[in-house]
Formats: sequence, C-alpha cells, structure tokens
Amino acid sequence: DGGITQSPKYLFRKEGQNVTLSCEQNLNHDAMYWYRQDPGQGLRLIYYSQIVNDFQKGDIAEGYSVSREKKESFPLTVTSAQKNPTAFYLCASSTGYGEQFFGPGTRLTVL
Amino acid sequence: AQKVTQAQTEISVVEKEDVTLDCVYETRDTTYYLFWYKQPPSGELVFLIRRNSFDEQNEISGRYSWNFQKSTSSFNFTITASQVVDSAVYFCALTGDEGIQGAQKLVFGQGTRLTINP
Repeated sequence: DGGITQSPKYLFRKEGQNVTLSCEQNLNHDAMYWYRQDPGQGLRLIYYSQIVNDFQKGDIAEGYSVSREKKESFPLTVTSAQKNPTAFYLCASSTGYGEQFFGPGTRLTVL
Repeated sequence: AQKVTQAQTEISVVEKEDVTLDCVYETRDTTYYLFWYKQPPSGELVFLIRRNSFDEQNEISGRYSWNFQKSTSSFNFTITASQVVDSAVYFCALTGDEGIQGAQKLVFGQGTRLTINP
C-alpha cells in the first residue's frame, strides 16, 4: 500500500539532546513537508522540500534542521536550540498543487 | 499575508443534526487553493476537498457539502445528518500561487473540534 510512514510514534527527549524524526513515503511524490501542531492549534509549517537535495524554511524553522538525500525520505532533526519542542509533528507529501497526504505523526515530549 | 480563520473552536450536536463549520480566509493572490482536512483522534489528517479560486461551484459528496463564496471570502463545510463517526477536528487550509513549482505552503486555521453525541 502506498502511503507515508513516520517513526517513532512516541518520542521522549531529555533537555539538551538532539532527536531525529523519520518520514518515508512511497507515493513517488516530489514535495515533502514537516508541520508542528500544538494542543488546540492548527498546523504550522517547519520546512518543505520540492526536490531531492533542496529544502526551504517554513514559518517556524528555528531550532530544526532537515535533509533530503532521497526522494522517499525527509528526516527532521529537533535540535537543542528549539526552546519548546514538545508537540505533535506531522509529515506530508504532495505532487505539485495536489492535495497533501499526511503521515500518522510523531508525538515528541521533552522530559 | 495569508490567513485562515475558523471562529468556531468547538461544536457539539446530537446525532442526525446538520452542522456547518465556518471558514473565512484572507489572501491577496488571485489564484489560490482551499482545502478541508479531517483529523480523527488517531491524529493523521485526512484530505476531504480541494477547491481552486476560479471554481465557485458548490460541491456535494454524500453527506458532505461545501459552499465557496469569494464575495465573502468563505469556504464553509456542512455535514448533513451527522453521525458519531464524524467526530473529529476539522481544519480549513489555504495555499496561494507563490510561484513555487512543485510545492505548496499551506496555511491552516485553528481547527474546529466537532463532537457528535449519540
């Protein structure tokens, strides 16, 4: 089945640690995205990538980094510079102006 | 700047009632796209509809219908004869024609939590 997978589902991090969230898609989509969702709020764009080896900052990129070495993969690293990283992280992919397909999300908690 | 407003934070109705979720948007683009997504308790967003700015025809899909009015910058979503399975958070979203090929920057509203009581 085609779709987007994110791992892990739940992630716990100690303050000062970097963590990497995985996102893989087998939909053959060129574009991929990372969003952050806080309780009771909408999604905010962190980073997006149109093609391999290219990515752009979204609205809240500070404290995050990404890479796009393969079309299928778009991992997100939450660095220690991110002041308030506890949130629900959603990865998505799309073709052009088609709808974005979302993964199941990763819930990150900082202890 | 683009903005999406969903003024209804929470709505609670009894099963079989009709319910309308409001969405008001702001954009300076002449070409833009509007979306509705459903987020069930599992967390994954499910695509419901996409509408471009040149198509103001209303859309109906089963019990779901959408009313797009450019004159009032609104894109409202109505569920007819609601069911318990419709309980979820619903998001309205907007993307413009920013000249970026192959990618879209979605701006989301805050979401409306819909609860359908049996």
